[in-house]
Amino acid sequence: AQSVTQPDIHITVSEGASLELRCNYSYGATPYLFWYVQSPGQGLQLLLKYFSGDTLVQGIKGFEAEFKRSQSSFNLRKPSVHWSDAAEYFCAVSNQAGTALIFGKGTTLSVSS
Amino acid sequence: DTGVSQDPRHKITKRGQNVTFRCDPISEHNRLYWYRQTLGQGPEFLTYFQNEAQLEKSRLLSDRFSAERPKGSFSTLEIQRTEQGDSAMYLCASSFGSPNTEAFFGQGTRLTVV
Repeated sequence: AQSVTQPDIHITVSEGASLELRCNYSYGATPYLFWYVQSPGQGLQLLLKYFSGDTLVQGIKGFEAEFKRSQSSFNLRKPSVHWSDAAEYFCAVSNQAGTALIFGKGTTLSVSS
Repeated sequence: DTGVSQDPRHKITKRGQNVTFRCDPISEHNRLYWYRQTLGQGPEFLTYFQNEAQLEKSRLLSDRFSAERPKGSFSTLEIQRTEQGDSAMYLCASSFGSPNTEAFFGQGTRLTVV
């Protein structure tokens, strides 16, 4: 069965520092992968997605993610974090039918000044 | 386009009562999803509609849960005989077109069962 693991529950990064959030997935075929962000009181917002093609995917708000099949990973990165990036981040994989998302438990990002 | 709208935003109910939540998807979105999110967890899939047809249900959706999407527009999620374990955020999402297209999420309905 498909699954997603986000090993880091909570990460604190200094404003202006780089960020990498880890995501590992379990999937038998070529996965459809997503990163969502959830701010307090807000709905989940899609940051980026990977379906096929270039393994480095650019998203909104300056985020990018790299798909590495050999490591079953889809890590999210940002070169310089802003205080407004503090939120909860979820990695997700689509089920085989494309009818549901399977989410990881999330990583809470705190940004220190 | 006002996005996915959910009502109410918060609901407190006594154990054993029935509750109903409403979701208004983005207009013309043919796909609608319900998820449940508990504290410290990611959202968990509950059920999926394509137009008015409920095509998939998670085993999480016990007999006390029922969802409808009449006329393929808004959807309702009803929980009968609520239990404390039903306390969670219930999220609705919608998308258009083929599978794996971007799903847009509402802000959710937070249910507290006391």
